[in-house]
Amino acid sequence: EDKVVQSPLSLVVHEGDTVTLNCSYEVTNFRSLLWYKQEKKAPTFLFMLTSSGIEKKSGRLSSILDKKELFSILNITATQTGDSAVYLCAVRWVSAGGTSYGKLTFGQGTILTVHP
Amino acid sequence: NAGVTQTPKFQVLKTGQSMTLQCAQDMNHNSMYWYRQDPGMGLRLIYYSASEGTTDKGEVPNGYNVSRLNKREFSLRLESAAPSQTSVYFCASSEGYGGGTQPQHFGDGTRLSIL
Repeated sequence: EDKVVQSPLSLVVHEGDTVTLNCSYEVTNFRSLLWYKQEKKAPTFLFMLTSSGIEKKSGRLSSILDKKELFSILNITATQTGDSAVYLCAVRWVSAGGTSYGKLTFGQGTILTVHP
Repeated sequence: NAGVTQTPKFQVLKTGQSMTLQCAQDMNHNSMYWYRQDPGMGLRLIYYSASEGTTDKGEVPNGYNVSRLNKREFSLRLESAAPSQTSVYFCASSEGYGGGTQPQHFGDGTRLSIL
């Protein structure tokens, strides 16, 4: 069964801390892994990773993919209260012998709370 | 720049009632999707439309129908609502046919409660 598992499910830190969020996956015909940030409403896109070992960075956020070990991490340095959100990991995959459509399977999300 | 717009934002229904959730995108995307989000379960795909004129089932399609009215609009219908369909529903869209390689962009969601 295709699945995406995130850990930890929740995390409480103080401003200035560095956090690492994990996403492991088991899917057929992997295509890409995406990270989203969800505050009160719509998930907003952060990163898409397709190749192992290439770090994506955006300000204090960075992410890397390991296709051999089937996981990705999302790092946030010098956390701020505005980083408090649910972080969602999603994997795009294609069913073996099926259509070419790339479906997204989401993990449960990690709830990050940053205290002042 | 509106992006993906969903209506209504909130709705309360009684068991057995029907309703349609509306979604429209102004980004000229080919692919559109409907998800539901339940506590502790992430987002699960209900139906998707890889291009105008096509629709297909996702992971949890039972109890729902969809219509891709045109390239901009993709609606989700509950014919006979059940309490198990209480959830937050998200519409999303992306470039490319068949999902492509681009990220999906989400609307703000519809919070639906069924009593």
